[in-house]
Amino acid sequence: EAGVTQFPSHSVIEKGQTVTLRCDPISGHDNLYWYRRVMGKEIKFLLHFVKESKQDESGMPNNRFLAERTGGTYSTLKVQPAELEDSGVYFCASSHYSGRSNEQFFGPGTRLTVL
Amino acid sequence: RKEVEQDPGPFNVPEGATVAFNCTYSNSASQSFFWYRQDCRKEPKLLMSVYSSGNEDGRFTAQLNRASQYISLLIRDSKLSDSATYLCAVNAWEDTGRRALTFGSGTRLQVQP
Repeated sequence: EAGVTQFPSHSVIEKGQTVTLRCDPISGHDNLYWYRRVMGKEIKFLLHFVKESKQDESGMPNNRFLAERTGGTYSTLKVQPAELEDSGVYFCASSHYSGRSNEQFFGPGTRLTVL
Repeated sequence: RKEVEQDPGPFNVPEGATVAFNCTYSNSASQSFFWYRQDCRKEPKLLMSVYSSGNEDGRFTAQLNRASQYISLLIRDSKLSDSATYLCAVNAWEDTGRRALTFGSGTRLQVQP
């Protein structure tokens, strides 16, 4: 079974530009999560989709970040315009079941550098 | 105070040693607990969920202590390949209604030959 995949693996952009990150969850997983790790800090939650619906956006830092999940399959996270503090590793995770267990499986991440 | 706290380490142990890490959490309503392993510049990989009764998977044993609000991970007979950062993650969905995991900053383990 294929794991969570993310594209691109790395992205280097200039401040003010736009970047779009993509995540393909494990097939059949209705739950999709975005997390971010900035330098020297712990991994922080950004948002949670259940199928195509945003279940929880409480971690989104500001309105420069826009996440979508078309048809409840893959998801994109757009940063527009990017700022220096957006640099970090963006992880996507998916889970099958939202019950007590809620085991989440992570993708390899996209390393974003904003210059 | 952070919601989830871990000793950053590093824990330097010889091969074959037994090592234990703790992770404390602040929300007493938390009910889902996990240990992840993260290698340098890689994604967190789920190592094990932590159940109330404790659970064991080969050389790895996880325990939950609700009274003192911590979880632990015990690694027996350490291998060089166990060198990594171990992250604990907690969720309190019954309390918050949210599925988001809250992570600690990780404990680094270095197993030496």
